[in-house]
Amino acid sequence: DQQVKQNSPSLSVQEGRISILNCDYTNSMFDYFLWYKKYPAEGPTFLISISSIKDKNEDGRFTVFLNKSAKHLSLHIVPSQPGDSAVYFCASALNTDKLIFGTGTRLQVFP
Amino acid sequence: NAGVTQTPKFQVLKTGQSMTLQCAQDMNHEYMSWYRQDPGMGLRLIHYSVGAGITDQGEVPNGYNVSRSTTEDFPLRLLSAAPSQTSVYFCASSLGLAFTGELFFGEGSRLTVL
Repeated sequence: DQQVKQNSPSLSVQEGRISILNCDYTNSMFDYFLWYKKYPAEGPTFLISISSIKDKNEDGRFTVFLNKSAKHLSLHIVPSQPGDSAVYFCASALNTDKLIFGTGTRLQVFP
Repeated sequence: NAGVTQTPKFQVLKTGQSMTLQCAQDMNHEYMSWYRQDPGMGLRLIHYSVGAGITDQGEVPNGYNVSRSTTEDFPLRLLSAAPSQTSVYFCASSLGLAFTGELFFGEGSRLTVL
């Protein structure tokens, strides 16, 4: 049973526009949420995180929003750049020792 | 610092063979873990360790063994490989028990079981 779901396997966005990647989770006990970015043939790298006590966290072009009542988080990238083309994974931390990942969304940013 | 180092990068096995995927980190991280990545399934946690001598199961532990005799090393053992274990395996480490957001990953080991 997938506890963290990314229902859009792919997303295509024009350079300069906003990219919105979505993630849903089922376990209300999750208390920390993260986004990772992965290029082909490389390991994932940390992008941004948010604690369950917040509803928004911003870092440069990247903003993560958390809606606890809907068990939903989203990653906004503004403006999108071609170098942002990658697979994005959301992840949720359970009991501080398990990080559960979603299935990933492949973002393509075209000129 | 080398970070998280995984060996081998590529391996082909026959069904029933055994092998060990090596993982080493030089960041003095207490927490280490193994994930597998499969198409449409994302990253799934196999086993993890919160410190030397302590290991626990993740989401998909069957068919895999781990041990943590030192802080630096966290090998993943396949005792009798099956085609269902064909995957890309990632080792990762983190500074402490509570996630600060930074889980450092190795470059991955691609395993094919025929």
